[in-house]
Amino acid sequence: GEDVEQSLFLSVREGDSSVINCTYTDSSSTYLYWYKQEPGAGLQLLTYIFSNMDMKQDQRLTVLLNKKDKHLSLRIADTQTGDSAIYFCAESFPRGADGLTFGKGTHLIIQP
Amino acid sequence: DAGVIQSPRHEVTEMGQEVTLRCKPISGHDYLFWYRQTMMRGLELLIYFNNNVPIDDSGMPEDRFSAKMPNASFSTLKIQPSEPRDSAVYFCASAAETSGETQYFGPGTRLLVL
Repeated sequence: GEDVEQSLFLSVREGDSSVINCTYTDSSSTYLYWYKQEPGAGLQLLTYIFSNMDMKQDQRLTVLLNKKDKHLSLRIADTQTGDSAIYFCAESFPRGADGLTFGKGTHLIIQP
Repeated sequence: DAGVIQSPRHEVTEMGQEVTLRCKPISGHDYLFWYRQTMMRGLELLIYFNNNVPIDDSGMPEDRFSAKMPNASFSTLKIQPSEPRDSAVYFCASAAETSGETQYFGPGTRLLVL
């Protein structure tokens, strides 16, 4: 079956690193994605990682994939107030365009 | 490119009325997806098209829901008759096989059925 799990909330201080975790169940996932949703807005693609990679870095974002444990994480360095949003982990299989299965989203709360 | 365009952005209607949501995918994209987002169920895939052909509609909740894609630049999601439990945000997304099939989302239509 397909299931993507995330914590509902994460609170961090401004300037610290945020690490948002996700677990998925289907080992045949091809791509794993992180999307960001700000209040009242649509989903913005942040980054994605192909399942044969274990790390991807893009400016302040670092994605780590542990395929053995089916664990995906998103690290945001130097968290800013503008990073406050809901972050969704999503998996797709067997090809990227066969529809995404999303987690429920993690609300990232930034403390001053 | 303007991105994925959805209309209307907000829709308030009464139970029993027909609702039509519209989507214009990114030009050149050959996949189109309809998702629904609710607090209880999160984001759910309803249906997707490839080259205007419906591929998987197993997520469509009931026969009251129907989707069409008459051409590569337009799709509709119709609910007839609408019910209060259909209240949600409906997202359209598109993807191109030539760009890693990454899905790009529209801003969503917020539907409230009274």
